[in-house]
Amino acid sequence: DTAVSQTPKYLVTQMGNDKSIKCEQNLGHDTMYWYKQDSKKFLKIMFSYNNKELIINETVPNRFSPKSPDKAHLNLHINSLELGDSAVYFCASSSNRQGRRLRGYNSPLHFGNGTRLTVT
Amino acid sequence: DAKTTQPPSMDCAEGRAANLPCNHSTISGNEYVYWYRQIHSQGPQYIIHGLKNNETNEMASLIITEDRKSSTLILPHATLRDTAVYYCIAKGPRDKLTFGKGTLLTVNP
Repeated sequence: DTAVSQTPKYLVTQMGNDKSIKCEQNLGHDTMYWYKQDSKKFLKIMFSYNNKELIINETVPNRFSPKSPDKAHLNLHINSLELGDSAVYFCASSSNRQGRRLRGYNSPLHFGNGTRLTVT
Repeated sequence: DAKTTQPPSMDCAEGRAANLPCNHSTISGNEYVYWYRQIHSQGPQYIIHGLKNNETNEMASLIITEDRKSSTLILPHATLRDTAVYYCIAKGPRDKLTFGKGTLLTVNP
């Protein structure tokens, strides 16, 4: 009954390859995110999708392309992998519906357990 | 987002209360204070959040000063499993969640 699940957990690949990381959430949330945590442990947002629409796109190379086939899934495809892409990638989800009591409030983010990508 | 300042590390004895401070002197009126933690090799985990009033849930308590310029996360009875990096984040309703360096809390037996 994992809330936010990512696959694979580990991914080792060579420079120049193309790879995808999948993310699924079963919380009924309408917003999903990708975060990157580098070797120095800094956690930075990359993308955010709300109802399958891109709403946040930080300064990320064009080689990274998120795809959201439906509200429960946000996959990350990476082309032409480079050594510097090695990191842990976290998927997350939240609900941004505005209720009567929670006007303007975003629910806390639920994170997956990460995908450790190693590019050799 | 308002900048937050946290000590880089803290120690706590098992069974004692862990009090983690956070300074957010430039916080604006619509920014909430969120606390997350990241246990080694896991994704960040939401702990608690608040706007003005003190908050308590099954995990922790959040004490926010009256001027809202600082807050304290309290883990009432720390266990070894509470060893983690704790992040204090000030965030408005439409802001993205931005993580700083956090505080590494080490709970010692």
